[in-house]
Amino acid sequence: SQKIEQNSEALNIQEGKTATLTCNYTNYSPAYLQWYRQDPGRGPVFLLLIRENEKEKRKERLKVTFDTTLKQSLFHITASQPADSATYLCALWRGSNYGGSQGNLIFGKGTKLSVKP
Amino acid sequence: DAGITQSPRHKVTETGTPVTLRCHQTENHRYMYWYRQDPGHGLRLIHYSYGVKDTDKGEVSDGYSVSRSKTEDFLLTLESATSSQTSVYFCAISESGPFNSPLHFGNGTRLTVT
Repeated sequence: SQKIEQNSEALNIQEGKTATLTCNYTNYSPAYLQWYRQDPGRGPVFLLLIRENEKEKRKERLKVTFDTTLKQSLFHITASQPADSATYLCALWRGSNYGGSQGNLIFGKGTKLSVKP
Repeated sequence: DAGITQSPRHKVTETGTPVTLRCHQTENHRYMYWYRQDPGHGLRLIHYSYGVKDTDKGEVSDGYSVSRSKTEDFLLTLESATSSQTSVYFCAISESGPFNSPLHFGNGTRLTVT
């Protein structure tokens, strides 16, 4: 069955360093992969979407890579700040064979990032 | 924040009672979704809608039904609540399908079934 795994439940880093979060998937090659941020008591907030023909995408201090050979996406936050502390979720689209006529966006369990001052 | 309102924000109910959660959007987006989030499972899709009166099941649809009679409202009903349905429920919307369109989430409804 399709699995999506974020390799760390928690990641602690020092302010100013680069945070790197990993998302691995098996048994399927998604055309699209998304990253979300979730703060306690709030719904997830969309950050970036990367397509399988895009190796890398950037948005301000955020960078996402997508390696379909390794079946892996890396999410980087450069010059991290305490305000970046949150849980980060990756999500990939699974086609219509797996959940309804429109397919299904499945989520990893998330990595909780803590940035210490 | 995208214009998504979930109500109620918190609810405690007893096993066997019916419960309806409401999602209201002001963005005129075609797609609406209901997810549940549980520790150790992440977000899982319950049902979604791709237009008025057009709905489909997600991966954990048993025990739930949905209705969408207007573009802006998507209702999730637990016909007879069970303790396993204790969870945080999120509504989401997207302009186009989930394969290439970001989802915008509401802030959730915390449901406790005793």
